[in-house]
Amino acid sequence: GDSVTQMEGPVTLSEEAFLTINCTYTATGYPSLFWYVQYPGEGLQLLLKATKADDKGSNKGFEATYRKETTSFHLEKGSVQVSDSAVYFCALKNTGNQFYFGTGTSLTVIP
Amino acid sequence: GAVVSQHPSRVICKSGTSVKIECRSLDFQATTMFWYRQFPKQSLMLMATSNEGSKATYEQGVEKDKFLINHASLTLSTLTVTSAHPEDSSFYICSAGTQYEQYFGPGTRLTVT
Repeated sequence: GDSVTQMEGPVTLSEEAFLTINCTYTATGYPSLFWYVQYPGEGLQLLLKATKADDKGSNKGFEATYRKETTSFHLEKGSVQVSDSAVYFCALKNTGNQFYFGTGTSLTVIP
Repeated sequence: GAVVSQHPSRVICKSGTSVKIECRSLDFQATTMFWYRQFPKQSLMLMATSNEGSKATYEQGVEKDKFLINHASLTLSTLTVTSAHPEDSSFYICSAGTQYEQYFGPGTRLTVT
């Protein structure tokens, strides 16, 4: 069945460091791919998404490219800030509107 | 973007009582709503899928008699945790959407004492 495998954390970076969080997926058909962010005590917020192969989603300096050949959707940011500290979830949505989430990666950015 | 609200945001209840959580789509009609449960430092686990006007579909291992889901209208779904116990303490998140997009609510923190 459909599934998402996400890089395990926690990840700790210094401010302005480069961030990569790996995400690979298994799915039939052509899923849409998402990154969600969850700040402490809050729900999920959509960070970015891509709906087809080679699409690049971007928002707030974060980027991820839908790579069908490697079934990946890695999240990157060139220079992280303290305010980026949160848990990041990779997810896919196939037909039927059901989401499949990765296990989440906790990011802590230290000044 | 579309807004999904949940009420209450936090609730504390005594063991053995029932708690109802509401999920509302505020500016659109949701044909499908999903209920998720999130344990501390873990991912979201899908509990059930509810379609307006029909019975909810529960994931394997989720007790339908314990977690009652009602989707009476295109803008409201409710999750009732019956006879709650401390192990039911968790973060419950709903999502609502159409065939094209899903939007997540802010979550409800349930603590059972």
